[in-house]
Amino acid sequence: EAGVAQSPRYKIIEKRQSVAFWCNPISGHATLYWYQQILGQGPKLLIQFQNNGVVDDSQLPKDRFSAERLKGVDSTLKIQPAKLEDSAVYLCASSPTGEGYTFGSGTRLTVV
Amino acid sequence: GEDVEQSLFLSVREGDSSVINCTYTDSSSTYLYWYKQEPGAGLQLLTYIFSNMDMKQDQRLTVLLNKKDKHLSLRIADTQTGDSAIYFCAESNTGGFKTIFGAGTRLFVKA
Repeated sequence: EAGVAQSPRYKIIEKRQSVAFWCNPISGHATLYWYQQILGQGPKLLIQFQNNGVVDDSQLPKDRFSAERLKGVDSTLKIQPAKLEDSAVYLCASSPTGEGYTFGSGTRLTVV
Repeated sequence: GEDVEQSLFLSVREGDSSVINCTYTDSSSTYLYWYKQEPGAGLQLLTYIFSNMDMKQDQRLTVLLNKKDKHLSLRIADTQTGDSAIYFCAESNTGGFKTIFGAGTRLFVKA
């Protein structure tokens, strides 16, 4: 079974620039999550999709972050404009049920 | 709000047992998880336990749950250098929605 694919692996941008991350979940997994992991902290949920509908985006900074999941499969997370405090690893995960997630390797974003 | 707390560091000698502890606040938690994260990688699900269980064993891993005290522990028997990583405790409600993660415990295994 192929894992959760994310790209790019690394990204360095200047503050106020835009950036987008891509995620391809495990085939058949209806639920997709984007997490932000700041260095030294546990992952924090940004947004959760069930198929192509949003279940929870209460912690997504909607003034600068947006996410979509077209056709209930791939997803993109965008930051526009980026701030220094957005430097983190952005993790995508997918799940068929509540019995744990499968995470991708993440995208490490550095904002300078 | 819901919270999950863990100690930040644990150091053990190779061959010893490691015990990583976690406390959580949400009494409605249904699933409790342990994830492992190696440098530069995403989180890997190690094991999980339903809230109506008090113990689960899987090879070298033993999970103990004290629901009354909202305390979860992960015991790794015969700890190896390859077990060096960050271990995250997490809890979620029915259906696995809104999983809350702890800050992680960094396990150092000395040869």
